Amino acid sequence: QSALTQPASVSGSPGQSITISCTGTSSDVGAYNFVSWYQQHPGKAPKLMISNVSYRPSWSSYRFSGSKSGNTASLTISGLQAEDEANYYCSSYTTSSTLVFGGGTKLTVL
Amino acid sequence: QVQLQESGPGLVKPSETLSLTCAVSGYSITSGYYWGWIRQPPGKGLEWIGSIHYSGSTSYNPSLKSRVTISVDTSNNQFSLRLTSVTAADPAVYYCARLPHCPGGNCHHGGLYFDIWGLGALVTVSS
Repeated sequence: QSALTQPASVSGSPGQSITISCTGTSSDVGAYNFVSWYQQHPGKAPKLMISNVSYRPSWSSYRFSGSKSGNTASLTISGLQAEDEANYYCSSYTTSSTLVFGGGTKLTVL
Repeated sequence: QVQLQESGPGLVKPSETLSLTCAVSGYSITSGYYWGWIRQPPGKGLEWIGSIHYSGSTSYNPSLKSRVTISVDTSNNQFSLRLTSVTAADPAVYYCARLPHCPGGNCHHGGLYFDIWGLGALVTVSS
């Protein structure tokens, strides 16, 4: 299985909104609504921010939202804050009952 | 509060077997969920290794399947990872995590996403 495709980096100023894309195939992202997003600060374990395309767990800020169209999922962060600077990874369940991650996107808050 | 904690040797010799254990506290493994392993080579991205249900049902990454075994120890509320024939490609931080698999009552083999993570264990490969 091939990794999902994410941009290597994105940036934005405080208060702005940014969107990170995650492109897969009809065998993973396009097959189910089981795309998840993780935030990882340097030296820390990843943290679930979005599950099932758009569901926010209780610990995830309302500023984080997810969506999907066809084989591409997206994570939007609104009202950017300095603490949002981190690496972000998408993941998808696949038709083979396996899981696959994206390569990761480094978010820089200018 | 559910917590996961990885443990095991931090140094493994080439061609030998990497073994790690994940102790689960605050939740009984037999109450449900899948339980899995993910790794992250230094400076690189995340890679799913595999997942297990307390019943013994497993799902593995096809690229690692021939070398990986994940097992569960319900009496000690923990699960383990064995990776055989390690090489220079296997050094990484190894994470264990919990995976929900039954949204809305429809269950899916292997687990769908990782909601709770351990802190990670760094494993180096060197003779």
